[in-house]
Amino acid sequence: GENVEQHPSTLSVQEGDSAVIKCTYSDSASNYFPWYKQELGKGPQLIIDIRSNVGEKKDQRIAVTLNKTAKHFSLHITETQPEDSAVYFCAAPDANAGGTSYGKLTFGQGTILTVHP
Amino acid sequence: EAQVTQNPRYLITVTGKKLTVTCSQNMNHEYMSWYRQDPGLGLRQIYYSMNVEVTDKGDVPEGYKVSRKEKRNFPLILESPSPNQTSLYFCASSHNRGGGQPQHFGDGTRLSIL
Repeated sequence: GENVEQHPSTLSVQEGDSAVIKCTYSDSASNYFPWYKQELGKGPQLIIDIRSNVGEKKDQRIAVTLNKTAKHFSLHITETQPEDSAVYFCAAPDANAGGTSYGKLTFGQGTILTVHP
Repeated sequence: EAQVTQNPRYLITVTGKKLTVTCSQNMNHEYMSWYRQDPGLGLRQIYYSMNVEVTDKGDVPEGYKVSRKEKRNFPLILESPSPNQTSLYFCASSHNRGGGQPQHFGDGTRLSIL
């Protein structure tokens, strides 16, 4: 099955700095890589995702990059703000031999991001 | 409003007393899934359902049961809860091919098994 490793486990930055969180995955057939943000007391919420046919995707201050050869993808947040403080999770699906299952989804261990004003 | 609703939000109970956590979605999603969240371990998938009457095990299914009799509901059943099932539980739903589509999460159910 899929194995997803996420680093770092905690990240502390000053407001206005950039933050980068990296995930590696093991299943070379995986082709969908989402990032979720979890605020205190809430369920995770999708903030950005990328499919394997592109190498980078941006949405305002947030970007995700994908390196399929190295099997890693990263979340980049620029000009961080205090409201970016949250727990961030990456994930990757378990693609079965036929590449059509996608029922199972494996999450990384999470990164606690703290943005100091 | 599109949402995934879990009940109860909090529950303290004792070992061996059967309990059910309900999950309902109003988005007509085919796929639903249950996760547990524990510190340092992220979210781990318990069971998922690709459609009505179709369920399958995730990574940590031991001690749990699910059913999918209707498209909108996906209850999680703990027939004989034990303290190691104390955790924060999330239900999620998405359109078909759930692992390959954005998932919508409920706000969680915190279970404490004494």
